[in-house]
Amino acid sequence: EPEVTQTPSHQVTQMGQEVILRCVPISNHLYFYWYRQILGQKVEFLVSFYNNEISEKSEIFDDQFSVERPDGSNFTLKIRSTKLEDSAMYFCASRRTNEKLFFGSGTQLSVL
Amino acid sequence: KQEVTQIPAALSVPEGENLVLNCSFTDSAIYNLQWFRQDPGKGLTSLLLIQSSQREQTSGRLNASLDKSSGRSTLYIAASQPGDSATYLCAVRRYFGNEKLTFGTGTRLTIIP
Repeated sequence: EPEVTQTPSHQVTQMGQEVILRCVPISNHLYFYWYRQILGQKVEFLVSFYNNEISEKSEIFDDQFSVERPDGSNFTLKIRSTKLEDSAMYFCASRRTNEKLFFGSGTQLSVL
Repeated sequence: KQEVTQIPAALSVPEGENLVLNCSFTDSAIYNLQWFRQDPGKGLTSLLLIQSSQREQTSGRLNASLDKSSGRSTLYIAASQPGDSATYLCAVRRYFGNEKLTFGTGTRLTIIP
């Protein structure tokens, strides 16, 4: 079965550094998402992306965050200047036109 | 603001038993509701999706029901197996055109062999 692939699985960075989390959504999907889960908390929506632009974003997704689909396959989340509170598991997800959402296995980001 | 609650937070049952997981949401104006499974260190797997106009959906040993007016959904698992051990999450989508899923905190299910 097709999968959403995320790399790296773990990322450790120093506070203030920029990080880029990478995702390869399922090839014929049209809608792309980033969610995050802080340890012990709920999965939270960050941003949705469709037709090469952000369709919706949450309050969490401030100026420090950006997303890009630089080619036909990759979907990236950039955090410009990481903070301690950005430490979380970040999930990429995609779907085609039906509603079923496919999630990747996540990138565990640790900000020191 | 939509709030999604799942009770209990954790549940242990012997293998072979049938069980019910509960999900409640505060705003009944939803577009659909999904149940996901999360295994440790892995992503979320969509199990069942119920549109707001539907009352239930079934897949194998799983049956999900939706009572939109009361803000409740249940996930019924028949003849539980150790492989069913995981965290189960429900998530609601507010309306068509709104992409955000609002998740509950999940129920951690352990099936005892």
